[in-house]
Amino acid sequence: GAGVSQSPSNKVTEKGKDVELRCDPISGHTALYWYRQSLGQGLEFLIYFQGNSAPDKSGLPSDRFSAERTGGSVSTLTIQRTQQEDSAVYLCASSPGQGAPEAFFGQGTRLTVV
Amino acid sequence: SQQGEEDPQALSIQEGENATMNCSYKTSINNLQWYRQNSGRGLVHLILIRSNEREKHSGRLRVTLDTSKKSSSLLITASRAADTASYFCATRAGNNRKLIWGLGTSLAVNP
Repeated sequence: GAGVSQSPSNKVTEKGKDVELRCDPISGHTALYWYRQSLGQGLEFLIYFQGNSAPDKSGLPSDRFSAERTGGSVSTLTIQRTQQEDSAVYLCASSPGQGAPEAFFGQGTRLTVV
Repeated sequence: SQQGEEDPQALSIQEGENATMNCSYKTSINNLQWYRQNSGRGLVHLILIRSNEREKHSGRLRVTLDTSKKSSSLLITASRAADTASYFCATRAGNNRKLIWGLGTSLAVNP
């Protein structure tokens, strides 16, 4: 596609439910990032995929969070047993990878846990 | 934890004035990038400066890099109300392609 696409754009869920957030990166981009941003705050790194390498999961806040990237393209971020503190905007970005530093962002998914 | 730190955290100026934001980082870098974010959604890349560059211009944007002080500044000249946004710096170091982000500067340009 022309840009990074995230779905849904908004998600309201009840505390304790599981949610899945989807990211479609730019075709051919080997690097994919997930970030979380709370209101008025900076970007909190969650996870980083680069090609076929093992993902860098060092930013995942708890074992309720997981992410996968199938076929080196689409990625899904799953949050199990959501809590109110999980409410935030979840941003996905992709990058061409080798020798290409610029990251391209999707518009994010605004998650509200009630 | 974030490597980059921007200051000020918030800046309010009048239209036509210049806005200067600073970013500091902790380790050696390959390059430093500045991004803009409107309304808490996706970020847009503005400009990149490599570690062997000291200054770079793009339209009304001027970026400087001082590797000895591990700091960068972003200057927006002749600001406009449409420049109101949050501005973030990001660094990439060594073979680690992961971007490290600062906490951002919230800029308000008043008409």
